[in-house]
Formats: sequence, C-alpha cells, structure tokens
Amino acid sequence: AQSVSQHNHHVILSEAASLELGCNYSYGGTVNLFWYVQYPGQHLQLLLKYFSGDPLVKGIKGFEAEFIKSKFSFNLRKPSVQWSDTAEYFCAVTPGGSQGNLIFGKGTKLSVKP
Amino acid sequence: DAGVTQSPTHLIKTRGQQVTLRCSPKSGHDTVSWYQQALGQGPQFIFQYYEEEERQRGNFPDRFSGHQFPNYSSELNVNALLLGDSALYLCASSRGLAGEETQYFGPGTRLLVL
Repeated sequence: AQSVSQHNHHVILSEAASLELGCNYSYGGTVNLFWYVQYPGQHLQLLLKYFSGDPLVKGIKGFEAEFIKSKFSFNLRKPSVQWSDTAEYFCAVTPGGSQGNLIFGKGTKLSVKP
Repeated sequence: DAGVTQSPTHLIKTRGQQVTLRCSPKSGHDTVSWYQQALGQGPQFIFQYYEEEERQRGNFPDRFSGHQFPNYSSELNVNALLLGDSALYLCASSRGLAGEETQYFGPGTRLLVL
C-alpha cells in the first residue's frame, strides 16, 4: 500500500536556524507531492506542491522543497525560521496523477523558540 | 470569497448512534473530499464526490456514506458509531478532478463518541 513517512515527530529550533523536514513516499509511479501546514488554531493550508518540471519548488513564506525521484523524497526546507513558523507540517502524495486521495504522513510538529 | 465551511464544529455522540456532518465548498469549486484525522495522525482519505457521485473511496467501511447536492455542498454520514470513530473530520474542496488542482481544507468537525 502507498504510504508517506515523515521522519521527525517533533522538531525544536531557535529563531534563525535552518529547517529541513524529511518526507519519503512509497509509490513507484507518477506522483503529485504536497506540503501542507496547520498553524495553531487554524485549518490546513497548502505550502507548496510539485506536479512536474523543476524539482525544486518554492512555496509561500520562504519555504521550498526538492523532489528527488531516485530517493522517493520530497524534503521541506527553510533557511531561517521564525517564531511564526511554529506549526504542524504534513507531507502528502497523490499517486498516479489522480486527485482526491491525498495520502498524508503523520506530520511533524515544529516549535520555534524566540 | 468564503472558504470551505463545515458544520457543526463539535459534536458528541454515543456508541451506536448516527451522525451527519456538512460541508460547503469554496466558491467556484465542484469537488468535495472527506478525510478523517485521528489524534496524532495525518488525515486519512474517506471518499470524494464530483457531479453528485462518489468518485473515489478510501479504506473505510460502508458505515461511512456521503452525498453531494446540486449546489456542490456535501454531507458525510456515519452509522453505528464506534468509539474509534472519534476524530476530526475534514472536508476539502477543489475544481474538477485534475491532479494539478489544489485541495482547500475546512476547519473540520470534531466528533467525540462516548
């Protein structure tokens, strides 16, 4: 069965530190890849997505992610985090180019210390 | 422009009861997907509705059923509630079934089954 693994359950960083959150998926075919964020008290919002083309994708609020097909990975990065980045981050995949059946990882909670 | 709305926000039921959750999609969207998010987990896909038909379904029993109305709003029904059905139920809307379209999530309905 297709699955998404997020390596870190909880990451704690100080402001201005660099961030990298890991995401690996298990599916051999074409995939669409997403990172969603859930700020405290808010609903899930799209950070960025990859469908095709340049494997380095830029999203909102200075986030970016790189799709490495050979590693089945789609890691999220930000060079310098802010306190306002404190949130839960979810990696998700839709296999086969279809939409609707987003398969989510368990999420990584990011806490940024001021 | 209203986003995805869901009602009610919270609900408490007892085992064996039935529940109906409601979702209004974002303006201009015609596709609705439902997800279940248990505590500490990522959302799990339940099913997707487009043109008033169930188009895709995740690994959920028949106790979970849905409906989409001509105005694109949708309902999720769960019969014979179990304690394990306690979760946050998320609705997501999008335009059509193309994989490039982003799914926009509502705030969710938190269901507690006692």
